[in-house]
Amino acid sequence: QSVLTQPPSMSAAPGQRVTISCSGSNSNIGRNYVSWYQQVPGRAPKLLIYDKNKRPSGIPDRFSGSKSGTSATLDITGLLTGDEAEYYCETWDISLGAVVFGEGTKLTVL
Amino acid sequence: EVQLVESGGGVVEPGRSLRLSCAASGFTFDDYAMHWVRQAPGKGLEWVSGISWDSRSTAYGDFVKGRFTISRDNAKTSLYLEMSSLRPEDTAFYYCAKAEMVASTFFDHWGQGALVTVSS
Repeated sequence: QSVLTQPPSMSAAPGQRVTISCSGSNSNIGRNYVSWYQQVPGRAPKLLIYDKNKRPSGIPDRFSGSKSGTSATLDITGLLTGDEAEYYCETWDISLGAVVFGEGTKLTVL
Repeated sequence: EVQLVESGGGVVEPGRSLRLSCAASGFTFDDYAMHWVRQAPGKGLEWVSGISWDSRSTAYGDFVKGRFTISRDNAKTSLYLEMSSLRPEDTAFYYCAKAEMVASTFFDHWGQGALVTVSS
């Protein structure tokens, strides 16, 4: 069981907006930036968001991240069928001295 | 273009050892920390270990419990993971990933993964 809690699944229609949550504590999200990754089945994860809402080259601005206290969110606007994937949050936990991942949220674009 | 290519995966009996390698190219290898992240089939991501650019700092997930050793050879631009006393629950895809640091970091490039199956 992960120290970062994500909803197991979410669904939305193409064109809509979805917000994926990641809940942690003062030893992880409360002290560090949160990164977000997208993983399509059979492929390696891909970095979407890092530091304070930065996006790697090639990631569209439909993806954005935010943090408040011990929770973080990933917003995806203008959903495309190609956004259907598993999404993971990640940060450093200072108490564990370890990288921690959320358990993942499976996004279905209906 | 950054490329990370894992090798060394395969089927191994419980209690045995296995060494994974990750060949890196397309970036200045010794400017970056490197990590291993694993994913059991159908499960989520689990961080395994990280190593600083100069090998002076390493960190491991709690489940490793002294069984795995991460190392790197900057001259060969390669990352390694020596795994011993393997258990069936270590069965997973093992990804190498590039990062800025060992702690408080993010993974901007990932390899394609190497499958390790621990089974008798």
